[in-house]
Amino acid sequence: SQQGEEDPQALSIQEGENATMNCSYKTSINNLQWYRQNSGRGLVHLILIRSNEREKHSGRLRVTLDTSKKSSSLLITASRAADTASYFCATYNFNKFYFGSGTKLNVKP
Amino acid sequence: EAGVVQSPRYKIIEKKQPVAFWCNPISGHNTLYWYLQNLGQGPELLIRYENEEAVDDSQLPKDRFSAERLKGVDSTLKIQPAELGDSAVYLCASSLNGGTGELFFGEGSRLTVL
Repeated sequence: SQQGEEDPQALSIQEGENATMNCSYKTSINNLQWYRQNSGRGLVHLILIRSNEREKHSGRLRVTLDTSKKSSSLLITASRAADTASYFCATYNFNKFYFGSGTKLNVKP
Repeated sequence: EAGVVQSPRYKIIEKKQPVAFWCNPISGHNTLYWYLQNLGQGPELLIRYENEEAVDDSQLPKDRFSAERLKGVDSTLKIQPAELGDSAVYLCASSLNGGTGELFFGEGSRLTVL
């Protein structure tokens, strides 16, 4: 079974708006990572946040981690049509990565 | 630097036929993963290799699936015989330090079983 679960399952926004997606997980983790997958392609690593970190930034991406609530959020600011993709969180623990079922983001031009 | 290379990208076969997928990881990456991704779902681990050794194959259906990683570089995943439910994307990924860093994925092999 998959440990991470993203919310919402689908998100549709206008270009220029911010997109927020959330990830919840069940057990303790070493780190949490976010990946992007364009249709018909492989997954691409976006950002990694360790269990002792609370927030991390990379370009237009901002990730937060709340280990007490076992949740993480990914914020994409000033979205672009090229951000249209599925986004997955992956938790790492016990030498395994667990992927959620993803949030499908559609950014309308 | 070349990324993770997978072949074939697409494969259509009749049920009960065999099929094989090949993966060439990023040079120097000692850890290699095979994942199964069903439509609308996230990847699920089938097998993880550390060099030549399969260190986690608990989710690999061993009655019909097999994998090998000779010389600790390229890997092959085989299904024999294929069933209708095996239709999915088979993703290969590699990493440098065994799981604390990022995974690098190939483009995947999409299997359709008719």
